[in-house]
Amino acid sequence: DTAVSQTPKYLVTQMGNDKSIKCEQNLGHDTMYWYKQDSKKFLKIMFSYNNKELIINETVPNRFSPKSPDKAHLNLHINSLELGDSAVYFCASSQDRSAPPYNEQFFGPGTRLTVL
Amino acid sequence: GNSVTQMEGPVTLSEEAFLTINCTYTATGYPSLFWYVQYPGEGLQLLLKATKADDKGSNKGFEATYRKETTSFHLEKGSVQVSDSAVYFCALSGSGGYQKVTFGTGTKLQVIP
Repeated sequence: DTAVSQTPKYLVTQMGNDKSIKCEQNLGHDTMYWYKQDSKKFLKIMFSYNNKELIINETVPNRFSPKSPDKAHLNLHINSLELGDSAVYFCASSQDRSAPPYNEQFFGPGTRLTVL
Repeated sequence: GNSVTQMEGPVTLSEEAFLTINCTYTATGYPSLFWYVQYPGEGLQLLLKATKADDKGSNKGFEATYRKETTSFHLEKGSVQVSDSAVYFCALSGSGGYQKVTFGTGTKLQVIP
């Protein structure tokens, strides 16, 4: 059973297009995240949702819009794609805990987005 | 704010060599500390973790000890294998409220036969 799944795995598109990436977790976790990983493997958090509410919203262009229809799903929609959006996007989830370990992340396999 | 500094790579070792990847952190209180590994073409997966001072996390022959006095969480393995070739990320998460996980920049390890 896949714990955190993402679709699609690869996404190749033209500049200016709009695309979506979907994420689902079957771990029963309360919090989900989107990360962007650049070509140097640097990982940057973009958004986080807790029980369908946005709790972390880093400095990300407003062309990026997350949506969480329920706590098991977190989708990422990107409008007007630009060359600089090319990266690998990871979804992750974690369970709320009042005791450590805090925020242990469970990652999906990633979506490699290539903008031409 | 919280921060994680880990040694830059790439690190190239021969099979059976000893591995150390340094990681130091800045955080208030008692954060949880993690090492994640990313194999080529895959997502990150938890390698090991520690939650309080002097805790030792271990998994697959890798170890790291939570050192509060030096604010460090160095990753070690006594004898690396070709299959350990991957990118390793040190990370921390603070307690209380909605805290994001702070990741280091990643260290690429290449093990050659």
